Amino acid sequence: KAGVTQTPRYLIKTRGQQVTLSCSPISGHRSVSWYQQTPGQGLQFLFEYFSETQRNKGNFPGRFSGRQFSNSRSEMNVSTLELGDSALYLCASSLATGSEAFFGQGTRLTVV
Amino acid sequence: AQSVAQPEDQVNVAEGNPLTVKCTYSVSGNPYLFWYVQYPNRGLQFFLKYITGDNLVKGSYGFEAEFNKSQTSFHLKKPSALVSDSALYFCAVRPTYGQNFVFGPGTRLSVLP
Repeated sequence: KAGVTQTPRYLIKTRGQQVTLSCSPISGHRSVSWYQQTPGQGLQFLFEYFSETQRNKGNFPGRFSGRQFSNSRSEMNVSTLELGDSALYLCASSLATGSEAFFGQGTRLTVV
Repeated sequence: AQSVAQPEDQVNVAEGNPLTVKCTYSVSGNPYLFWYVQYPNRGLQFFLKYITGDNLVKGSYGFEAEFNKSQTSFHLKKPSALVSDSALYFCAVRPTYGQNFVFGPGTRLSVLP
């Protein structure tokens, strides 16, 4: 069974640009969550989607957005990139909200 | 506010000695409790979880975690550490069914040969 797949693995963008990250969950998993990991802030929850609906949202500015498609694949978008957005972005999928989450390898975003 | 604390940034243990990675939480109700491990340049890997039942949860590679409701703790333990156990360990809680995870800051475990 394939795991959670995130693409791309690495990205370099300049300030002011926008970026889209993709996540394909484990087959059959309908819940997808996104997290930002930085050395200073640790793991911070961005948002969670279940059956194409956003169920939970963390404390991030509106520049961070996401969506989920009918096949459970999810994308997150960050507009007007700032240097502080440099981080490892992790996607996790769950069979249902409440069960353990399985994480992808992450996308490492560097903003220059 | 809901929070998870891992009081030690770093734990150093000699190979063969017992190890403990501590976790305490402040969450209302009866949360689900998890441990995740992160190896260098890898995503997080699910390690073990407590939902209900026996307070001692057994995981892979000889690890176990003990849930203590009165102390709101969920410490990770292993009786005999291996060098290969060296990694970053995260404690996490899911406050109630359907809510998102809250992660602790992580504890870097180094097992010295």
